[in-house]
Formats: sequence, structure tokens, C-alpha cells
Amino acid sequence: DAGVTQSPTHLIKTRGQQVTLRCSPKSGHDTVSWYQQALGQGPQFIFQYYEEEERQRGNFPDRFSGHQFPNYSSELNVNALLLGDSALYLCASSSTRKEYGYTFGSGTRLTVV
Amino acid sequence: AQSVTQPDIHITVSEGASLELRCNYSYGATPYLFWYVQSPGQGLQLLLKYFSGDTLVQGIKGFEAEFKRSQSSFNLRKPSVHWSDAAEYFCAVGAGTGFQKLVFGTGTRLLVSP
Repeated sequence: DAGVTQSPTHLIKTRGQQVTLRCSPKSGHDTVSWYQQALGQGPQFIFQYYEEEERQRGNFPDRFSGHQFPNYSSELNVNALLLGDSALYLCASSSTRKEYGYTFGSGTRLTVV
Repeated sequence: AQSVTQPDIHITVSEGASLELRCNYSYGATPYLFWYVQSPGQGLQLLLKYFSGDTLVQGIKGFEAEFKRSQSSFNLRKPSVHWSDAAEYFCAVGAGTGFQKLVFGTGTRLLVSP
């Protein structure tokens, strides 16, 4: 049984560009959350998607947007990249039938130059 | 607002020695508390969680944690550390019912000396 799959593993982008990160949730999970983990910090909640809608959002600008597809997979889009967006982006999936039953992916390491 | 404090940025422990990682939280209601471990370049693995009931929680890899409401603490312990335990450890609190956002501390890096 595959866990949470994220792609790509690593990514290098230039300031001002746009990036899309992808996440496939664990089988049986219907909710996807995204976290940003800057170097030396704990993960920070970006937003959560359920039933293809953004259910809640953390303190991140509108440059960060997302999408959830009918098969529960999700994308994180970041526009107008800044150097400060360099981080490990973690996807976590869960099921509405199991409270706080998160499974985390290995993340996408984004470097903005 | 919910917050988590992990006062130790780095801890070095000799292999075979006992370990305690500290975690203090701030949350108005009964907290949902978690400990995660992260190896370099990897995602987060759940070690254990506390929702209610017995305040001493057993987890994977021989770890345990004790919830102390009076001290707002949820410290992680292991009686004998192995070299493979070297990693980053994060304490987190679940924020809000009906919506399950995790608020993480800044982490404690554990180094294990021979």
C-alpha cells in the first residue's frame, strides 16, 4: 500500500517564476494538507483541501494556491517566487473518518535562486 | 493562538543513555498532542500521540511521552538511545475540532555519540 507520494523530489526555480508541486494521497484518504518547512524550522500549515475545496488556510499570501482533483490528489502552486519561498514542502493526507490520522510524504525541496 | 515550544535546539546523548526531549504547548482546550521524527531529507513519521485517557503514551521505536496538564508539557522519553535515533524531533499540537491543523514546534536535533 503506497503512502503519500510527492513530486518532484527536488526543484530549482528562479525568482519571479511559478511552480507546481504535486501530491498523491495515501489510499483511502480524502483530505490533503500542505505544509512549508523552512530550513531549521518546524512545518507551517499552508492550507487543507477536502472535496476539491480549500477548507482552511494558514498565514500565507495569495501567491500560494492549490487544487484538489476528483481522485483526491492535489497540487500546490506558488506564483512570483521569492527567495524566501525556498523550503521543503510537505504534503499530508488524512481521512475524515479518522481524526488526526495524518500520513506525511517525503516532501519536495524547492530552491529559489 | 496555539503554540508549541521546544526549548532545546540540539541535544547530544551517548548511545545507551536515556533521553528526554522537552515540549511545552499553549492551547485553550484539551490538546491533541503529537511527536514526529524526521530524518535528513525525509518527511515526518509519527512516533506517538495523545488524545485523552492515560497520560503516559507508548509509541513506536521504544519511545514514550507523558502529558502533564498542570505544566502544559508533553515530554518525549526513551530509556536507551540507539545510534539510529539521531534525527530531528518535532512536537505538535492539533488545533481546533472539526478542522485538523497541526501547529509544530521548531524541533530538537538529537545527536547520538558512540
